[in-house]
Amino acid sequence: DAGVIQSPRHEVTEMGQEVTLRCKPISGHDYLFWYRQTMMRGLELLIYFNNNVPIDDSGMPEDRFSAKMPNASFSTLKIQPSEPRDSAVYFCASSKSSWGNEQYFGPGTRLTVT
Amino acid sequence: GQQVMQIPQYQHVQEGEDFTTYCNSSTTLSNIQWYKQRPGGHPVFLIQLVKSGEVKKQKRLTFQFGEAKKNSSLHITATQTTDVGTYFCAGRDSNYQLIWGAGTKLIIKP
Repeated sequence: DAGVIQSPRHEVTEMGQEVTLRCKPISGHDYLFWYRQTMMRGLELLIYFNNNVPIDDSGMPEDRFSAKMPNASFSTLKIQPSEPRDSAVYFCASSKSSWGNEQYFGPGTRLTVT
Repeated sequence: GQQVMQIPQYQHVQEGEDFTTYCNSSTTLSNIQWYKQRPGGHPVFLIQLVKSGEVKKQKRLTFQFGEAKKNSSLHITATQTTDVGTYFCAGRDSNYQLIWGAGTKLIIKP
């Protein structure tokens, strides 16, 4: 298995621009998670999906952030408009089930907003 | 909200010395997982503990889950340069949510 795939690996954009991060979970995994990691705030859960349905988006910072999962093999995290404080590494992770199963993380997307 | 406190934030050790990181929760956890993140990498699952008082070993790594299922520790014996990274605990709460600790960064002094 190829593992969790994320694209792009690096993204540099100017403030105000729209940014779309992409994730392909491991086949057969029912749960998909989006995390953000910064030095200041550590690893934060933004949102997670179960069977393509958003279950908990309480970690989404504000309305500028949105996430979708149109099918079992694809998810996007969109930031519009982007701000410098959104600069971080964004990880996507998937797992077979919520309870009792480990999460498999993708390599992450390093976002820099100038 | 529920938190899992992890200490210390950083630990500097000489190669060959031992390393320990601790996690504490204010409430009982269903289980606890441990992950390792190498510099520039992503978190990678190490192990899961489920039972009260459980102890598991992986070579030089020893993982413990407290009797009350509120605390856990990871101990590395005789650290090596390959152990460098950040170690995270993540506890499963009563709502089956995974609550992450802040991580402990292991730094090997040259």
